[in-house]
Amino acid sequence: DADVTQTPRNRITKTGKRIMLECSQTKGHDRMYWYRQDPGLGLRLIYYSFDVKDINKGEISDGYSVSRQAQAKFSLSLESAIPNQTALYFCATSGSVSVDTQYFGPGTRLTVL
Amino acid sequence: AQKITQTQPGMFVQEKEAVTLDCTYDTSDQSYGLFWYKQPSSGEMIFLIYQGSYDEQNATEGRYSLNFQKARKSANLVISASQLGDSAMYFCAMRGPNTGNQFYFGTGTSLTVIP
Repeated sequence: DADVTQTPRNRITKTGKRIMLECSQTKGHDRMYWYRQDPGLGLRLIYYSFDVKDINKGEISDGYSVSRQAQAKFSLSLESAIPNQTALYFCATSGSVSVDTQYFGPGTRLTVL
Repeated sequence: AQKITQTQPGMFVQEKEAVTLDCTYDTSDQSYGLFWYKQPSSGEMIFLIYQGSYDEQNATEGRYSLNFQKARKSANLVISASQLGDSAMYFCAMRGPNTGNQFYFGTGTSLTVIP
């Protein structure tokens, strides 16, 4: 079984709809992250959480919100989706020291029409 | 602020040849980690190799090696004996304590291996 899972894997929605992307991990890591990937822009950090009670905004948090329901679960919400939020979204986890790599989920491809 | 720069949007290499993907970084941290990830067309992000800022030797993992030049703040990925399956996007990333050990990614390099 995958260590980091994301649901759904693909989603097509309409402008103005509320969307939730979910992430679960079995790595036992405290740190979880949400990124979006757009062609030519690499990965940009939306939100990150260092533990259940610690949520932080990343580079591009406007239009997004998150919830850390448990150590293993971190969800990303688009309250009112807009077309420029069409992107590939990744959840990731990591340990807390600089030697620790990130482990990525398989990604969610979101299209907002 | 942390910054990662990958100046090669696209690279081509002949099968079985070696290729170097460039990565430069900027940080005020003394201790930091450098990472390379591969993203094939299927979309998943695959961790390839890690280099610590205090590591005296360049990291190697199979056909991957990291040419780490600390004074120049560069961490280039070298892929030896390229294979068709190496065709993918490659991302350089860094993390350090000055910014809570967040990861910062470059914009990526698209590598195409030519048969």
